[in-house]
Amino acid sequence: DAKTTQPPSMDCAEGRAANLPCNHSTISGNEYVYWYRQIHSQGPQYIIHGLKNNETNEMASLIITEDRKSSTLILPHATLRDTAVYYCIATSGAGSYQLTFGKGTKLSVIP
Amino acid sequence: DSGVTQTPKHLITATGQRVTLRCSPRSGDLSVYWYQQSLDQGLQFLIQYYNGEERAKGNILERFSAQQFPDLHSELNLSSLELGDSALYFCASSVDGQTNYGYTFGSGTRLTVV
Repeated sequence: DAKTTQPPSMDCAEGRAANLPCNHSTISGNEYVYWYRQIHSQGPQYIIHGLKNNETNEMASLIITEDRKSSTLILPHATLRDTAVYYCIATSGAGSYQLTFGKGTKLSVIP
Repeated sequence: DSGVTQTPKHLITATGQRVTLRCSPRSGDLSVYWYQQSLDQGLQFLIQYYNGEERAKGNILERFSAQQFPDLHSELNLSSLELGDSALYFCASSVDGQTNYGYTFGSGTRLTVV
C-alpha cells in the first residue's frame, strides 16, 4: 500500500463543507484511494473510494487530482455527528486486500 | 447495525487467562478480518480468513490464533493474556477477498486485562 499523509486534526463549522486532504504521492496505477471514518471507538465505517475519477455518494464526494498524488474528501454539510477520525488509505485491493490504517485526521465539527 | 456481529461487547479478565472473541460476518460475506486497536498503536491488522481458509497474516502474536468455521463465523483466541493485550478488537467482513465496497466493521469487543 502506498503511504498516505493526512493532517492530524481539523475543525469545521457545523453546516459548512469539510474538506479533508490526503497526500499519496507514491500511489501506483492500480491502487484505489479509500476513505473510512471512526466515530469515538465505534467500528470504522466505509465512506467512499475511487481510482482516478471523482466520486460521489450519499455521504461524501472524493476528488482525486489528475496526477493521483493527492485527494480530498468533501463532506458537503458537516454536522456534529460527523465528528470522527477520518482515514485515507491507498491500496490495490488485490490478493489479500488487508487495509492499513494510519493515524488519520481528527475532524471536529463545531456548533 | 452494520450486519457484522461481535460478542461479547466487553470482556474483563486476568493476566495469564485465555479468551475467545466471536464474529459473525454480514450475510453473504465470505471474508473476515480481525483488527486490534490500542491507544498507542492505532488499528492494526491481525489476520484474514476467506471461506474458511487463512488468507493473510499481519501483526498477530503467536499467543493469538483464529479460525473461520463452515458457517463463516470466526473466532479469535487470545491466550496467556498480558496487560498490553488490553484493546478494542474489531472484526470486519467483505464479500470476497477484494471488493469495490470496502469492509463492514462490527462494533468491536473491548478487552481489559487486569
